[in-house]
Amino acid sequence: GEDVEQSLFLSVREGDSSVINCTYTDSSSTYLYWYKQEPGAGLQLLTYIFSNMDMKQDQRLTVLLNKKDKHLSLRIADTQTGDSAIYFCAESPTSGGSYIPTFGRGTSLIVHP
Amino acid sequence: DTGVSQDPRHKITKRGQNVTFRCDPISEHNRLYWYRQTLGQGPEFLTYFQNEAQLEKSRLLSDRFSAERPKGSFSTLEIQRTEQGDSAMYLCASSRPSGSGAYEQYFGPGTRLTVT
Repeated sequence: GEDVEQSLFLSVREGDSSVINCTYTDSSSTYLYWYKQEPGAGLQLLTYIFSNMDMKQDQRLTVLLNKKDKHLSLRIADTQTGDSAIYFCAESPTSGGSYIPTFGRGTSLIVHP
Repeated sequence: DTGVSQDPRHKITKRGQNVTFRCDPISEHNRLYWYRQTLGQGPEFLTYFQNEAQLEKSRLLSDRFSAERPKGSFSTLEIQRTEQGDSAMYLCASSRPSGSGAYEQYFGPGTRLTVT
């Protein structure tokens, strides 16, 4: 079965870059997602990458995928206090057609002024 | 596009009571998912529908949990004979296949259940 691991906390200074890391286990073709959750709210989809890609950039967000090590990272450039939230990594294998995602426990990002 | 809505946002109930939650997905989305999220954890998949068909329900937590989507639009999640361990946030998400083939899931704000 799938398993997604994330470090639980990250603290950065405003204006610095943040890098949130994730490892996953599924070896089949899969979509890998990053979601953001603010207190008391649902999850907001930030970006995603397919497992045959190495990198995806979207404004301040850069996703890097190391397929060999099954390691995914999310880099947030010029981190702002509004980026403080919990960030979830999820993998969603394409086999079977259900695309049911498995989520990590989330990384709590704290941005200091 | 008003996003995914869930009702109620908060529910406090006594142990042993039944509760029902509603989810209204984004209108053109054919898939609807239910998740449970407990403190410090990521969302845990419960069940999903494609249109009105419930395609996966083996991961519902027990036979006290059931879900419906009778007309392929809104969905309800019912928990019978609630237990204190059912206290959690219940999240709904909807999706449709994107041009890239991914199912981008859009989440509602959740229903927070407290069982006393």
